[in-house]
Amino acid sequence: DAGVIQSPRHEVTEMGQEVTLRCKPISGHDYLFWYRQTMMRGLELLIYFNNNVPIDDSGMPEDRFSAKMPNASFSTLKIQPSEPRDSAVYFCASSPGQGNRETQYFGPGTRLLVL
Amino acid sequence: GNSVTQMEGPVTLSEEAFLTINCTYTATGYPSLFWYVQYPGEGLQLLLKATKADDKGSNKGFEATYRKETTSFHLEKGSVQVSDSAVYFCALTSTGGYNKLIFGAGTRLAVHP
Repeated sequence: DAGVIQSPRHEVTEMGQEVTLRCKPISGHDYLFWYRQTMMRGLELLIYFNNNVPIDDSGMPEDRFSAKMPNASFSTLKIQPSEPRDSAVYFCASSPGQGNRETQYFGPGTRLLVL
Repeated sequence: GNSVTQMEGPVTLSEEAFLTINCTYTATGYPSLFWYVQYPGEGLQLLLKATKADDKGSNKGFEATYRKETTSFHLEKGSVQVSDSAVYFCALTSTGGYNKLIFGAGTRLAVHP
């Protein structure tokens, strides 16, 4: 299995631009998580899905952030408009719905820099 | 709610030294406990886990024992290598199910030859 796939790996954009981050979870996994990692705040859970349905989005910082999961193999995290304080590494993770359900498998991350 | 506290880093050791990274938790119920490792430029990956009291998780020479009486899950390794240099995260399952994990702040380990 290829593991969790994220794209792009690096993104540099200017303040005010729209940013879309993409994630393909491991096939057969029922849960998908979006995290943000910064030096100041550490690892933060933004939102997670179960069977493509958002379960908890209480970690989404503000209305500029939105996430979708149109099908079991694809999710997006969108920031519009972006701001310099959004600069961070964004991780996607997935976990199976049964069996080893508590273990999360992380993607390599997208490093976002907003100028 | 559930929470986890781990020792601040960085931890700097010489190769072949003994490693301990402390992790304590606060939880209702009986959470599962995890150690994740993040190598430079990569995502987190599961290192080991324990699902009930007195369980010992182990992997790659690392060990941690689920201690309910002290609410701890300290990570240990008898002889570290330069390749162990990474950030280590302690985590536990959140109340309310749905596979949500609560992560600690992370401890950076630097191992020198």
